[in-house]
Amino acid sequence: DGGITQSPKYLFRKEGQNVTLSCEQNLNHDAMYWYRQDPGQGLRLIYYSQIVNDFQKGDIAEGYSVSREKKESFPLTVTSAQKNPTAFYLCASSISQGGYTFGSGTRLTVV
Amino acid sequence: SQQGEEDPQALSIQEGENATMNCSYKTSINNLQWYRQNSGRGLVHLILIRSNEREKHSGRLRVTLDTSKKSSSLLITASRAADTASYFCATGYGAAGNKLTFGGGTRVLVKP
Repeated sequence: DGGITQSPKYLFRKEGQNVTLSCEQNLNHDAMYWYRQDPGQGLRLIYYSQIVNDFQKGDIAEGYSVSREKKESFPLTVTSAQKNPTAFYLCASSISQGGYTFGSGTRLTVV
Repeated sequence: SQQGEEDPQALSIQEGENATMNCSYKTSINNLQWYRQNSGRGLVHLILIRSNEREKHSGRLRVTLDTSKKSSSLLITASRAADTASYFCATGYGAAGNKLTFGGGTRVLVKP
C-alpha cells in the first residue's frame, strides 16, 4: 500500500540536543512538507520541498533544518536553536494541484 | 500567518443532525481544501475545491466556495458519532496551488 511513514511516533529530547525526525513516502509525490502543531492549534509550515535537492523555508523555519536528497525522503532536524520544540510534527506529501497525504505524526517532548 | 479562520471554534450536535462550519481567508487563492483530524492523529484530506468552482459534494460532505466573500463552508449531513474530530480548512496559493496555509480548526463533537 502507498503511504507516508513518520518515525518515531514519540521522541524525547534533552536540552541542547539535536534530533532528527524521519519522513518517507512511496506515493511518488514530488512535493513534501513539514508542519508543526501545538495543542488545540492549527498547523504551521516549517519547510517544504517541491523537488529533489531543493527546499524552501516556511513560516517558522528558525531552529529547524531539512534535506531532500531522495524523492522518497524528507527528514527534519530539530536543532538546539529551537527554544520551544515540544509539539506534534506532521509530514505530508502531494502532487501539484492535489490534496495532501499526511503521516501519522511524531510527538516531540523536551525533557 | 494563518490565512484561514474557521468558525465556530467548537460545535456540539446530536447524531443525525447536520454540522456546518465556515472558513474565511484574506488573499486570493488557487484552491481551498478541507481536512479531518482525529485526536492525536495525522490529517485526512476530505475535499478540494478550486477557485473557479462554487460547490462540491463527496458522500455526506458538501463544500461551497464564495471567492467574492473569501469564504467557504463545510456541511456534514446526517452526522454520526464517528464524525467527531477537528476539521481544518486550508488555502492553497501559488502557481501549483499546493502550498497550504491551515486555519485553527473547528472541533466537532457528535453525541450518540
